[in-house]
Amino acid sequence: DGGITQSPKYLFRKEGQNVTLSCEQNLNHDAMYWYRQDPGQGLRLIYYSQIVNDFQKGDIAEGYSVSREKKESFPLTVTSAQKNPTAFYLCASSIDGEANQPQHFGDGTRLSIL
Amino acid sequence: GDSVTQMEGPVTLSEEAFLTINCTYTATGYPSLFWYVQYPGEGLQLLLKATKADDKGSNKGFEATYRKETTSFHLEKGSVQVSDSAVYFCALQPPGGYNKLIFGAGTRLAVHP
Repeated sequence: DGGITQSPKYLFRKEGQNVTLSCEQNLNHDAMYWYRQDPGQGLRLIYYSQIVNDFQKGDIAEGYSVSREKKESFPLTVTSAQKNPTAFYLCASSIDGEANQPQHFGDGTRLSIL
Repeated sequence: GDSVTQMEGPVTLSEEAFLTINCTYTATGYPSLFWYVQYPGEGLQLLLKATKADDKGSNKGFEATYRKETTSFHLEKGSVQVSDSAVYFCALQPPGGYNKLIFGAGTRLAVHP
């Protein structure tokens, strides 16, 4: 079955460490997205990529970095510059970056600080 | 800027009760509107959408009508089931530009037998 796979499901980080969250899709989608979800809040866009080798900052990009070297992969690195990284991170994809395309979500990675 | 406001939860209902979750939005032009559902420990799933005024989106017994005059997109279901217990997110997509979604804070629904 086609879908989006995020790993790991749970991740723990020590202070001052960078961590990378994995997102892989086999839907042959061009566009991919990373969101952050905090308790009692909606999702906020961190980064998005409309095509391979291109990505743009979303609303809360500070302290995060991404790469898009392959169509099916869009890893997110949470750097030590992100002062409040504890959250639920969701990856999504859509056929392309055009309007009205539904976004398909992975099951998320929960990041916690030790 | 563009924004979405949802009614605060949790909403607690008995099985077979009628459900309404209110959603209003602020946006310029004619955004597209969506409802997503999130089951515990999972990502979001698209429930329904409407792309222009007076459109009605429907899926799995849920409905929502795009009301431009009241800038609303309320979610309704005539008879809820325990399996409908989840968090429901209303979202808008501004017209033009890329496929950006702006989400409301979510409304938790708990249905008990």
